[in-house]
Amino acid sequence: GENVEQHPSTLSVQEGDSAVIKCTYSDSASNYFPWYKQELGKRPQLIIDIRSNVGEKKDQRIAVTLNKTAKHFSLHITETQPEDSAVYFCAAPPPRGFQKLVFGTGTRLLVSP
Amino acid sequence: GAVVSQHPSRVICKSGTSVKIECRSLDFQATTMFWYRQFPKKSLMLMATSNEGSKATYEQGVEKDKFLINHASLTLSTLTVTSAHPEDSSFYICSASQTGGNTEAFFGQGTRLTVV
Repeated sequence: GENVEQHPSTLSVQEGDSAVIKCTYSDSASNYFPWYKQELGKRPQLIIDIRSNVGEKKDQRIAVTLNKTAKHFSLHITETQPEDSAVYFCAAPPPRGFQKLVFGTGTRLLVSP
Repeated sequence: GAVVSQHPSRVICKSGTSVKIECRSLDFQATTMFWYRQFPKKSLMLMATSNEGSKATYEQGVEKDKFLINHASLTLSTLTVTSAHPEDSSFYICSASQTGGNTEAFFGQGTRLTVV
């Protein structure tokens, strides 16, 4: 089955810096890669996703890049703000279980003012 | 976006009792829903896939007799933790997606279960 690894587990940055979180997946047939943000005690919220037919997608300060050959995808947050502090999860579905997400281990991002 | 509602948000129960958690898709139909478990400061671990009108599919290592799943309608799945023990204390969260390919998974607000 699908295996998703995520690094780093914690990331501390100063406000205004950029943050990058990386994930690798195991199943080359996977074709959908979402990123979720989860605040303490809250539900995960989708912040951006990418499908395998594109290599990059951007939404304001957030971008995701995908390298299908290497089987990894990354979340990039620019001009970080304290409210970006949260736990971020990447995910990938097994090819035939498109809604069934396998999550990475999570990255705790702390943005200091 | 679509709305998934989970109830209750918090529950405390005594060891040996059973607890039912509901997951509802409020503005769309979901033939498939998913149940996850999350330990403190850990990732979401998929427990089972809830299939409307048929038996749930459980992930390896998840006891189906312990975690009973029922998906009797296109908008409701329930997870019942039977004969709960303190080690069952956790954050349980469901998700559902609108049908049709790779679409966003919407999560319920989660249920914090504490077994005393």
